[in-house]
Amino acid sequence: NAGVTQTPKFRVLKTGQSMTLLCAQDMNHEYMYWYRQDPGMGLRLIHYSVGEGTTAKGEVPDGYNVSRLKKQNFLLGLESAAPSQTSVYFCASSYSGAGSLYEQYFGPGTRLTVT
Amino acid sequence: AQKVTQAQTEISVVEKEDVTLDCVYETRDTTYYLFWYKQPPSGELVFLIRRNSFDEQNEISGRYSWNFQKSTSSFNFTITASQVVDSAVYFCALSEAYGANSKLTFGKGITLSVRP
Repeated sequence: NAGVTQTPKFRVLKTGQSMTLLCAQDMNHEYMYWYRQDPGMGLRLIHYSVGEGTTAKGEVPDGYNVSRLKKQNFLLGLESAAPSQTSVYFCASSYSGAGSLYEQYFGPGTRLTVT
Repeated sequence: AQKVTQAQTEISVVEKEDVTLDCVYETRDTTYYLFWYKQPPSGELVFLIRRNSFDEQNEISGRYSWNFQKSTSSFNFTITASQVVDSAVYFCALSEAYGANSKLTFGKGITLSVRP
């Protein structure tokens, strides 16, 4: 049981390049999330998904796209990277539950630098 | 809109001291959930506790304890007899809704350094 995994762990991009971050979970969770963590800012939600084939915007969605084609995978895309997207990206997943919110399980993070 | 404030940004203590990390939240909802997460120097985020708004009982887990007070909108975290391994960034988080709109709002985190 690997929990939540993220690929890659580190990446350096040049401005304007594109890339996709992959998140995978093996806990059969319905909900998945992408966050970015910047110094002094805490974690901010980029996009999230409440089930296969569905996605929604979070607090800071601009410049990112996501897809959830399979329940266990949640992809985060940067079409044209900018230095402002230099950050640590965390994926998380959680159970769904009527009338309840379960804790989110986080992946190990991806450190992205855009030069 | 929901908001979480962790006014302390950095705390430094000597091993075996007790330390309290403060968390104040804002929400218009009557049903909500509060969380604490730990982020050690290795970078992963570790879930510590979840508390719903209807349960104001304090909770103790080993050296960790949490004090939830709705009257002051606070959910404070105390570490008793701190240890070097407690050094980490601690995040408080809040979720107003449940079901399809379940989202966490995090505070900016408190960096705790425990010196030997």
